[in-house]
Amino acid sequence: DAGVIQSPRHEVTEMGQEVTLRCKPISGHNSLFWYRQTMMRGLELLIYFNNNVPIDDSGMPEDRFSAKMPNASFSTLKIQPSEPRDSAVYFCASSFTGPNEQYFGPGTRLTVT
Amino acid sequence: DAKTTQPPSMDCAEGRAANLPCNHSTISGNEYVYWYRQIHSQGPQYIIHGLKNNETNEMASLIITEDRKSSTLILPHATLRDTAVYYCIGITGTASKLTFGTGTRLQVTL
Repeated sequence: DAGVIQSPRHEVTEMGQEVTLRCKPISGHNSLFWYRQTMMRGLELLIYFNNNVPIDDSGMPEDRFSAKMPNASFSTLKIQPSEPRDSAVYFCASSFTGPNEQYFGPGTRLTVT
Repeated sequence: DAKTTQPPSMDCAEGRAANLPCNHSTISGNEYVYWYRQIHSQGPQYIIHGLKNNETNEMASLIITEDRKSSTLILPHATLRDTAVYYCIGITGTASKLTFGTGTRLQVTL
């Protein structure tokens, strides 16, 4: 298996633009997680899905952030409009349901100018 | 989930055992102790987890005290590639969420 795949790996955009991050989980995994990492706040869970259904989105910073999982093999995290403070590395992870090990993707480094 | 406390940094000579401690005095009976690490610029990587008994896999060993209030991750023969931030996380038996703290930055030196 190729592992968790994220795209793009790097994204540079201007403030106010829409940004869409993509994730393909490991085949067979039924839980998917979006994390954000910054120097100031460390690694934070934004939202997670179980069987394509959002279970906990309490970590989503505000309405500018939205996440979808239309099927078991694809998820998106969208920021609209983007702001400089959204600059961070965004990780996607997948696992089997429950307290199982999570497999992380390589991350998307987002820079908003 | 239990609050965990780890030293901010540690050094270890290459080839020696690295022993990374973690305090989790508020851990409940059904909470597992998970260890992940993050090598610079990469996504976190699962290492090992345990509930009550000591565990060993190809990467590391996990020693959990009998009262379960603390644990130690052991890398038996540390290499330069083990330089990373190591996170100790408590997670309940039915949950999926991981709450990362600040971890321990392990520096392996020649």
